[in-house]
Amino acid sequence: EVQLVESGGGLVQPGGSLRLSCAASGFTFSGYAMTWVRQAPGKGLEWVSTIAGSGGTTFYADSVKGRFTISRDNSKNTLYLEMNSLRDEDTAVYYCARGAEQFDYWGQGTLVTVSS
Amino acid sequence: DIQMTQSPSSLSASVGDRVTITCRASQPINNYLHWYQQRPGKAPKLLIYTASRLQSGVPSRFSGGGSGTDFTLSISSLQPEDVATYYCQQSYSTPQNTFGQGTKLEIK
Repeated sequence: EVQLVESGGGLVQPGGSLRLSCAASGFTFSGYAMTWVRQAPGKGLEWVSTIAGSGGTTFYADSVKGRFTISRDNSKNTLYLEMNSLRDEDTAVYYCARGAEQFDYWGQGTLVTVSS
Repeated sequence: DIQMTQSPSSLSASVGDRVTITCRASQPINNYLHWYQQRPGKAPKLLIYTASRLQSGVPSRFSGGGSGTDFTLSISSLQPEDVATYYCQQSYSTPQNTFGQGTKLEIK
């Protein structure tokens, strides 16, 4: 059974940093691109970042480029999102999802709140 | 960027009704269009991929159609468990994927 479990969310002040993790199981992790999608409270879905299965190629939404870094450790079956210079508008539930085109499995999400 | 516009933004229908949601792309996207269901407080779930292919385990009352710029998601006979927000998503410009704003479906 495919499972994706996010962790690392919490309350952080504007300008602060946070690292999210997504532990994957039930499939060959290195064989799939992985993606982070976020959802601000009461709002729709926003693509954030994608990383290739090998980890060699990464892509970012303009809204996070230069502040967020996606990475993965295929030996640990874990996806990461390093978030720096956080802003109020980064407040959202962050989901990890399998795939780069359509997203066939999603985690339960982890809430990031940026507030002073 | 490719913009995705869903209509309506919300709708209310009765159990057993046929329901159709529309998604329009700002430019042709071939059939690179996917549909998700998000129940309240839950993660999104893939329903339909590449416009018309039913994801494994999804009830057959869900169907998708369209190509180019105009797409539809239909539910042939609405069930109480279908209460959710539905999102379309284009992958024509992968990895710069974009989602529609969502359609909230309620039961009358």
